[in-house]
Amino acid sequence: DAGITQSPRHKVTETGTPVTLRCHQTENHRYMYWYRQDPGHGLRLIHYSYGVKDTDKGEVSDGYSVSRSKTEDFLLTLESATSSQTSVYFCATLGTSGPTDTQYFGPGTRLTVL
Amino acid sequence: AQSVTQLDSQVPVFEEAPVELRCNYSSSVSVYLFWYVQYPNQGLQLLLKYLSGSTLVKGINGFEAEFNKSQTSFHLRKPSVHISDTAEYFCAVSEHNAGNMLTFGGGTRLMVKP
Repeated sequence: DAGITQSPRHKVTETGTPVTLRCHQTENHRYMYWYRQDPGHGLRLIHYSYGVKDTDKGEVSDGYSVSRSKTEDFLLTLESATSSQTSVYFCATLGTSGPTDTQYFGPGTRLTVL
Repeated sequence: AQSVTQLDSQVPVFEEAPVELRCNYSSSVSVYLFWYVQYPNQGLQLLLKYLSGSTLVKGINGFEAEFNKSQTSFHLRKPSVHISDTAEYFCAVSEHNAGNMLTFGGGTRLMVKP
C-alpha cells in the first residue's frame, strides 16, 4: 500500500453529466497515471502526469481530461459521460522513471454511466 | 509500439496442482517485464519483474516466471496453488527508455477449486 486513495469508490451517473474522479497520494511520487480496466482489455492508459501541471495523453484519452495542481492530487474528468465510459478506473503512482521503480495502484473507482 | 497477449482468459485448476499462466509480448526494442495480481475488488499488486540478468525470476507468494527472449514469452508458474491464489493476473511490458510506461495484457483469471 503506497498511500493511494481514490474517491469516490463507486459512482452511478447519467449520460451527459460531468464526472470528476480524484486520486490522492501521500508518497510524494512525481509520476501519476489514470487507467481504465475493461474485461479482455486489461488496463489501458488514459492520461499521465510527470509533475505538477505537466500531463500527457495515453492510449485512450478521448473524452477525458486531467489536472494536477498539487503533487498529491490527480483529477480525472469526464466532461460529458457516455455509456462507453462505464468502467473501473485505477490511479497509479511512481516515484522515479527508473526501471527498478514500480507503479503502485490505488483501490479503483467503479463508474457506471446509465 | 509494444503489445502483450495473455493466451488464456481463464484458467481453472484444483488446489495443490501446478499452474502456468502464459504471456507473450511483441516489441521492436528491449523490454522490462512484469506480472501483477489483482484480488477481488482490489487494485493491482506487483508479483515479480524481470529487468536483466537471470531469466528465472522469483516473486512473492511462491510464484516465478521465466523470460524467453527467442520466444518473446514471460510465463508465470507456481508448483502448487492455494485457494487464496484465486485472482486475476496481468502481464505487462515496459520498453527500455520509455520512462516506465506499462502496456498490459488482457488478464488471466485463475480459479482455484477445492
